[in-house]
Amino acid sequence: RKEVEQDPGPFNVPEGATVAFNCTYSNSASQSFFWYRQDCRKEPKLLMSVYSSGNEDGRFTAQLNRASQYISLLIRDSKLSDSATYLCVVTAYDGGSQGNLIFGKGTKLSVKP
Amino acid sequence: ETGVTQSPTHLIKTRGQQVTLRCSSQSGHNTVSWYQQALGQGPQFIFQYYREEENGRGNFPPRFSGLQFPNYSSELNVNALELDDSALYLCASSSSRVRAASWETQYFGPGTRLLVL
Repeated sequence: RKEVEQDPGPFNVPEGATVAFNCTYSNSASQSFFWYRQDCRKEPKLLMSVYSSGNEDGRFTAQLNRASQYISLLIRDSKLSDSATYLCVVTAYDGGSQGNLIFGKGTKLSVKP
Repeated sequence: ETGVTQSPTHLIKTRGQQVTLRCSSQSGHNTVSWYQQALGQGPQFIFQYYREEENGRGNFPPRFSGLQFPNYSSELNVNALELDDSALYLCASSSSRVRAASWETQYFGPGTRLLVL
């Protein structure tokens, strides 16, 4: 089982649509959770951290369910500029490691006019 | 921009050769992590350096090695290149007050695209 699993998509949605991405992780010791965005042939950029209480940043809402080891990202009112690959990321610190980032394969989103 | 720079931007090598990739971390950052991203995959952790010492390593063979310098810039060296080493190599810098800080945001450089023929 992969450490972080995501639906690869692609998700093709019209402008203005609401789209949700899901992610599951296998290591219950995971401590920090993030969504990164990666544009074609560019580096990943932090979109938002994910907290147990859930958090919102404008049109973006992230949720974490530690019991189910499940993370979600909701994008409301999709814009053309939201087209990118969204990477689910977790870290784990077990006393011996260093909190390296563990990435899913990413979910590709394409927003159409 | 994150302030993390990498060189070169692109590189073509042949099997068996050796390559050195460079990364300059963001000002004030003491930790550098290296990742390999193959086409269609998420980045995979290679290793991390904290204050010039290796601070963890992913599932990569010993022919992948690295260094961190007193100014916290870093190098990734790959010996005996194989075709499967073709990928985007990303470095990420962060600032940690403790050795293992999973909560610190990592800022990525633009990457080096390596093609092995």
